[in-house]
Amino acid sequence: GESVGLHLPTLSVQEGDNSIINCAYSNSASDYFIWYKQESGKGPQFIIDIRSNMDKRQGQRVTVLLNKTVKHLSLQIAATQPGDSAVYFCAEYDSSASKIIFGSGTRLSIRP
Amino acid sequence: KAGVTQTPRYLIKTRGQQVTLSCSPISGHRSVSWYQQTPGQGLQFLFEYFSETQRNKGNFPGRFSGRQFSNSRSEMNVSTLELGDSALYLCASTSLAAEGTGELFFGEGSRLTVL
Repeated sequence: GESVGLHLPTLSVQEGDNSIINCAYSNSASDYFIWYKQESGKGPQFIIDIRSNMDKRQGQRVTVLLNKTVKHLSLQIAATQPGDSAVYFCAEYDSSASKIIFGSGTRLSIRP
Repeated sequence: KAGVTQTPRYLIKTRGQQVTLSCSPISGHRSVSWYQQTPGQGLQFLFEYFSETQRNKGNFPGRFSGRQFSNSRSEMNVSTLELGDSALYLCASTSLAAEGTGELFFGEGSRLTVL
């Protein structure tokens, strides 16, 4: 069946380094791929999305890469800061089915 | 603009009881969806409402139900609570501009504990 999975459940990064969070997906019909950030005690917060006809999109300190050949999605965070500590979820959205599927999440922790 | 507001934030119920959770979307948002978040199952879609109509439904038993009012506020109800219903219930709204993109604005959730 459809699934959105994450390669690593936890990621520890030195403050100031770049973080890369990876995600695999299986539904080729998905139109959008989205990254959410969830801080402790809060609901998920939209970070960035990418349409299926793109392979790269940049935001403020974040870049999402989409490789449709291997069905892989990644989120890159530049110059990781303590405020980036959170659980990051990837999600895929199939607009024809109005269906969004979330991955299991990666916890990002920052070492001082 | 105020964000998505969910009430109550925390509640404790016992098995067999029923619970109603409330969600007020961002002003102007007409689509409201509900999710269950647990450590074991992650974020799972419950249902989505648009203009008072259920537009989509996840794979949850009939004990889980919802509705949306004319002002876009939504409620979800869980009847005959089971221990496994303990979870964080998240509500999210979507703007018309973001329809069909998967961009959701989440509330902080209602944490339900079933004893």
